[in-house]
Amino acid sequence: QKEVEQNSGPLSVPEGAIASLNCTYSDRGSQSFFWYRQYSGKSPELIMFIYSNGDKEDGRFTAQLNKASQYVSLLIRDSQPSDSATYLCAAGPYTNAGKSTFGDGTTLTVKP
Amino acid sequence: DTGVSQDPRHKITKRGQNVTFRCDPISEHNRLYWYRQTLGQGPEFLTYFQNEAQLEKSRLLSDRFSAERPKGSFSTLEIQRTEQGDSAMYLCASSYSPAGEQFFGPGTRLTVL
Repeated sequence: QKEVEQNSGPLSVPEGAIASLNCTYSDRGSQSFFWYRQYSGKSPELIMFIYSNGDKEDGRFTAQLNKASQYVSLLIRDSQPSDSATYLCAAGPYTNAGKSTFGDGTTLTVKP
Repeated sequence: DTGVSQDPRHKITKRGQNVTFRCDPISEHNRLYWYRQTLGQGPEFLTYFQNEAQLEKSRLLSDRFSAERPKGSFSTLEIQRTEQGDSAMYLCASSYSPAGEQFFGPGTRLTVL
């Protein structure tokens, strides 16, 4: 079992819809969580990070964290074709450190 | 451009040859990370520096891999006696915030023939 699990997809949503991406992690020591977007052939680009239980909103993106359930999600509102990419979830052990452990990503396609 | 840079962007080599990649982090970032990514997989951690100190190295990393970060600035990753299984995208990332958000360079794509 991977330390960070994501549904590989593909996830397909129509333009303007809400896309919901989910991630679970196994290490209860994980304290920081990150969502990256990766276009085909490109490197990961940081979208959001979250450390506290609850929701964090940034524009069309909302990250949700539930440490009791070891669950992280990313909601993308008003999805656009340009949002079509692979979304990587990552977990870090604690602040002030160290490596991030990545899931294998969920591929999102937004259809016009 | 003030982002993370990597050189070369592409490298084709023959099995058994040594290769070296360079990463220049964002100038004020004191942490530097190397990852490896293959198709369909997420980035896999290789090693991590804080300033010039190498603080962690993946147990999955064989002795053929070595990394340095002299003077806490740029970093190099060397792979000795390359194998076909080393073919991958090698990603460098840097970070400054205590929270650990990492910013990635464009990567070096290695092909071992």
